[in-house]
Amino acid sequence: AQSVTQLDSQVPVFEEAPVELRCNYSSSVSVYLFWYVQYPNQGLQLLLKYLSGSTLVESINGFEAEFNKSQTSFHLRKPSVHISDTAEYFCAVKETSGSRLTFGEGTQLTVNP
Amino acid sequence: EPEVTQTPSHQVTQMGQEVILRCVPISNHLYFYWYRQILGQKVEFLVSFYNNEISEKSEIFDDQFSVERPDGSNFTLKIRSTKLEDSAMYFCARGTAGANVLTFGAGSRLTVL
Repeated sequence: AQSVTQLDSQVPVFEEAPVELRCNYSSSVSVYLFWYVQYPNQGLQLLLKYLSGSTLVESINGFEAEFNKSQTSFHLRKPSVHISDTAEYFCAVKETSGSRLTFGEGTQLTVNP
Repeated sequence: EPEVTQTPSHQVTQMGQEVILRCVPISNHLYFYWYRQILGQKVEFLVSFYNNEISEKSEIFDDQFSVERPDGSNFTLKIRSTKLEDSAMYFCARGTAGANVLTFGAGSRLTVL
């Protein structure tokens, strides 16, 4: 069975600072990896995904994540955050042959002016 | 227009009552899912539904839960006799890219008193 660990429950940063949200996963088989974002009182929105190909994936709003198979990690990064990036970020993993998406505990990113 | 619409957005019910949560995936897809998020906790998988049958269910999805797609459009989650611990946000999702990428609805908040 797969599992996901998000090492930081809360990450406060100042506007325009860089940020990294850490995610490690565990699985005995091949996986797909995802980051979802949840803004206050809203649902889950897909931020970016790794299915195959380049291990570095990017979102349209400047986030990127890199799949590192040897370290079983999929950390999320942004070089310069905005106030509007304040949200809860969930890392998720899905076995390539399964149907279940398993989420981490979530990381609350708070961007302060 | 949202790709997955959930109703109701919020429901308050008495313990022991039956609740039906509805999901309308606008596009014609075969893969559907229910997840839940208890306040302050992570998003948990409940059940996956493929081609009008349950394909996988979690340990949480016991006999008090059921899903169906009665008219080929609405996808429902029924909780027969609600308990206090069923209070949560329930998310419906549809699968794309061979069910490898999930698109979530905004959620239905269930409060059991």
